[in-house]
Amino acid sequence: DIHMTQSPSSLSASIGDRVTITCRASQTIPSHLNWYQQKPGKAPNLLIYDIYTLQNGVPSRFSGSGSGTDFTLTISSLQTEDLATYFCQQSSTTPWTFGQGTKVEIK
Amino acid sequence: QVQLVQSGAEVKKPGASVKVSCKTSGYAFSHHFIHWFRQAPGQGLEWMGWVNPYSGATTYAPNLRHWVTFTRDTSINTAYMELRSLKSDDTALYFCARASPSNWNCDHWGQGTLVTVSS
Repeated sequence: DIHMTQSPSSLSASIGDRVTITCRASQTIPSHLNWYQQKPGKAPNLLIYDIYTLQNGVPSRFSGSGSGTDFTLTISSLQTEDLATYFCQQSSTTPWTFGQGTKVEIK
Repeated sequence: QVQLVQSGAEVKKPGASVKVSCKTSGYAFSHHFIHWFRQAPGQGLEWMGWVNPYSGATTYAPNLRHWVTFTRDTSINTAYMELRSLKSDDTALYFCARASPSNWNCDHWGQGTLVTVSS
């Protein structure tokens, strides 16, 4: 199985701050690296797929980058509605696996 | 609009089975795989596998393959997940999700079904 490690596990930032979350895979992922946002008590919501492609309807302040084993989710200007937990996920091989999540809190 | 509506919360005793339904609408059911995930309380997400609604073919996560079965009923656009021989650590929120056309991610999710396993 491909093991996904996210950092940090939690962060606190102010409105308008730039936020960066990293995800490292135990093996090279050619392209199928996705990011999901999960708000408390809700289902996950697809933000970015295939490393950097923004899902329809997702604000442009979200962006993804990376290659190989190291990937990044960036929120360019944090908003109050971004309070959530963010998960990276690989779908290059089965079983699909997720990072442990990064909880984003607003200062 | 695309919707996936799951069945309600369940409480089961250890050793029992549970069957969760996922009723879909707003798109061609047979054209998108349905994936199943679970999330134990306060924990991360675990992928359980998928079912191809067109053919009925399935793929299961290796750690669950002996205890889980995915089925579907194309006449009512509904997918099902059955988990057998329940243990306390099967207590979790179970999600169904529609795969994107490429089947490399999931673009619409059900609301989740809480399954509690307790004696």
